[in-house]
Amino acid sequence: DGGITQSPKYLFRKEGQNVTLSCEQNLNHDAMYWYRQDPGQGLRLIYYSQIVNDFQKGDIAEGYSVSREKKESFPLTVTSAQKNPTAFYLCASSIGQGVYNEQFFGPGTRLTVL
Amino acid sequence: AQSVAQPEDQVNVAEGNPLTVKCTYSVSGNPYLFWYVQYPNRGLQFLLKYITGDNLVKGSYGFEAEFNKSQTSFHLKKPSALVSDSALYFCAVSAPNRDDKIIFGKGTRLHILP
Repeated sequence: DGGITQSPKYLFRKEGQNVTLSCEQNLNHDAMYWYRQDPGQGLRLIYYSQIVNDFQKGDIAEGYSVSREKKESFPLTVTSAQKNPTAFYLCASSIGQGVYNEQFFGPGTRLTVL
Repeated sequence: AQSVAQPEDQVNVAEGNPLTVKCTYSVSGNPYLFWYVQYPNRGLQFLLKYITGDNLVKGSYGFEAEFNKSQTSFHLKKPSALVSDSALYFCAVSAPNRDDKIIFGKGTRLHILP
């Protein structure tokens, strides 16, 4: 089956801890994205990457970090600097540039800070 | 700056009736427009897109959308609603020659009443 997997599905974090969310795709897509979804706010772009070893900040990158060492993997680290990390996190990928190509989304990770 | 608006937080439609979910956009130049659907606790699924050509775009699950340049709108429509269409719908816009980002609306929750 081709697609995007995210793990874990649910994640609980204590304040002050860093956590890493996994995103893997076997679609051979070049571009990958991380979004944050909060109720009533739609999706907000955290980071995106068009090619291995390169990534750009999105609209709300503060308190987050990413890496893109392999084409199929784009992990997101939520650091202790992120003031309000409780949210639903979605990873997506697309062929080439996403501006005219549809994005394929993973099932999401729900992060809760205790 | 590009933006997209979904003026209705929620739309209620009786099963079998036609449905419309509204979307308006603001972008410099020609827009690329998308509709996605999200079921509870899941990632987004692509429904359809407008890049160029025919203003009426047909997509998955019997949905269609009409691009109206003069009204800067891209409303999602379906002739006969099903209860299974109940979900959260997102409109998104991007533009060529801009950074590689798609802007998502805040979403419209569609309730199909049996």
